[in-house]
Amino acid sequence: AQKVTQAQTEISVVEKEDVTLDCVYETRDTTYYLFWYKQPPSGELVFLIRRNSFDEQNEISGRYSWNFQKSTSSFNFTITASQVVDSAVYFCALSEAKDSSYKLIFGSGTRLLVRP
Amino acid sequence: EPEVTQTPSHQVTQMGQEVILRCVPISNHLYFYWYRQILGQKVEFLVSFYNNEISEKSEIFDDQFSVERPDGSNFTLKIRSTKLEDSAMYFCASRKQRRDTEAFFGQGTRLTVV
Repeated sequence: AQKVTQAQTEISVVEKEDVTLDCVYETRDTTYYLFWYKQPPSGELVFLIRRNSFDEQNEISGRYSWNFQKSTSSFNFTITASQVVDSAVYFCALSEAKDSSYKLIFGSGTRLLVRP
Repeated sequence: EPEVTQTPSHQVTQMGQEVILRCVPISNHLYFYWYRQILGQKVEFLVSFYNNEISEKSEIFDDQFSVERPDGSNFTLKIRSTKLEDSAMYFCASRKQRRDTEAFFGQGTRLTVV
């Protein structure tokens, strides 16, 4: 069965620190897609990144980077030089290719608090 | 940039009343979804809709729930007789046909059942 685990419920850092949010997934499908979404205090879900299971190349986008490792079924998210505006709940999600509805299975989220 | 639009942003209703939550998905998207997030909890899948019919529904999506795409642009979620435990944020999302594309979410409707 598919499952996404975000073991860190809450992380608090001081501005300019680097922080890594962990995500571990379970799936029996060989083709799947992984996502990160940000939920700021205003409540909306903002798409950050999508990764295909056959592409393990890490990605960097500004201060954000993602480390995808199939060997450990992990898709971790690092924010470098964190800022107060990064404070939000971050969700990791999984979508399986065999699932005809392409629905997202979300983790429980990690609340990140960046203190000035 | 195209976006998913949901109305209303907040709805308060009495237990037992019917509510309809409305969504306008991105115009060239073909898959539509409703998700629910009880306060402080994870986002849960309710239902997916494709080609004018439900393609999958979760066990949360019981007979009290229904979805409709009445006019080719709106996508609605109806809860027939609301319960206190239906209080949550409801998100609409849409996705292009290709499986490897991201789902774009609306800003959510906060439903409060009193």
